[in-house]
Amino acid sequence: GENVEQHPSTLSVQEGDSAVIKCTYSDSASNYFPWYKQELGKRPQLIIDIRSNVGEKKDQRIAVTLNKTAKHFSLHITETQPEDSAVYFCAASSSGNTGKLIFGQGTTLQVKP
Amino acid sequence: NAGVMQNPRHLVRRRGQEARLRCSPMKGHSHVYWYRQLPEEGLKFMVYLQKENIIDESGMPKERFSAEFPKEGPSILRIQQVVRGDSAAYFCASPTPGAPGNNEQFFGPGTRLTVL
Repeated sequence: GENVEQHPSTLSVQEGDSAVIKCTYSDSASNYFPWYKQELGKRPQLIIDIRSNVGEKKDQRIAVTLNKTAKHFSLHITETQPEDSAVYFCAASSSGNTGKLIFGQGTTLQVKP
Repeated sequence: NAGVMQNPRHLVRRRGQEARLRCSPMKGHSHVYWYRQLPEEGLKFMVYLQKENIIDESGMPKERFSAEFPKEGPSILRIQQVVRGDSAAYFCASPTPGAPGNNEQFFGPGTRLTVL
């Protein structure tokens, strides 16, 4: 069945450094790849997404890249700040599969001041 | 995303009782997804509904769980005869209108179910 693998499970960086989280997906029909940030006890919040017709998208300090051939996509956060500390989830969905999101296992990012 | 409403925010049930979780999507939206998040885990798809119709229930446990989205009122996720393993956060998400599979999904605040 559909599967999304996410690595690493935990990531600790110094404030100002970059953080990279990687995901791979199994369903070659997947065409939409969102990233969510979830703070403790809160709802997942969409921070950026990418569709399969582009290879890269950037929004200020956040960027996502997509390699359809290899079936993997990555989240890049530059100039990290303590408020970036949270759990980050990648997900994938397919327009041919009712749009349900298949989530990765999550990455706990800790940004040390 | 602030427009997706869920209630109650916290629900405590004893084993064997029923839990009813409600979700109202963004105003004017007629589709909802339900996801479950077990402690320390990621989100798992449960069911996708539009008003008066279940579109995809491939993630729903075969027993004790049901969902509906009536013509009037919120979507309801119902868990009968709850067990401790049902303790989790249950989120609903409202997709932006248009074809599914390529649209942003905005999550409600969730219902945190605790089964004693």
